[in-house]
Amino acid sequence: SQQGEEDPQALSIQEGENATMNCSYKTSINNLQWYRQNSGRGLVHLILIRSNEREKHSGRLRVTLDTSKKSSSLLITASRAADTASYFCATAGAGGTSYGKLTFGQGTILTVHP
Amino acid sequence: NAGVTQTPKFQVLKTGQSMTLQCAQDMNHEYMSWYRQDPGMGLRLIHYSVGAGITDQGEVPNGYNVSRSTTEDFPLRLLSAAPSQTSVYFCASSYLGRGGSETQYFGPGTRLLVL
Repeated sequence: SQQGEEDPQALSIQEGENATMNCSYKTSINNLQWYRQNSGRGLVHLILIRSNEREKHSGRLRVTLDTSKKSSSLLITASRAADTASYFCATAGAGGTSYGKLTFGQGTILTVHP
Repeated sequence: NAGVTQTPKFQVLKTGQSMTLQCAQDMNHEYMSWYRQDPGMGLRLIHYSVGAGITDQGEVPNGYNVSRSTTEDFPLRLLSAAPSQTSVYFCASSYLGRGGSETQYFGPGTRLLVL
């Protein structure tokens, strides 16, 4: 079963607006990662936040993590048409290394209109 | 570096046929994984490996076999294809980085259609 639930399933915005995607998970984690997938392509890693971190920035990306609520959010500021893609959260289980095993959410489809 | 490569890009099989999906990485990563992606389902882990000669099952292993004889290669075998195995298959590799973090590097995927 999927660990993560993502919300919304689809998001449509205008260029320049901010996009926020949320992810909830069920069990304790070591870290949470966000990936982007352009249509028909492989996944590309965006950002990783560890369980002892609350917020992390990378360029136009801001990720928050609330382990008490078992939730995370990804904010993309000043969106561009090139940000159009599917975005997935993925969790690595607690208890040391996950050995390359990630549990993925179902994803949010983001469409940014020029 | 080529990163993670997968072959073939697209394959059509008949029910009951067998085939091997190839995956190779040139980054000397310890860990390799196979996922399948179905519409609206995100990615689900099939099998993974923590090093040459060591493999284990993921969430949906039935109908698939793996082996890892070298660090670089991690083939996925479909023993007797079924229509339910129609999916997009992704191979990924990763290493244990700073602070225990593991970023996964994905291949471009193999689209499999089982008739």
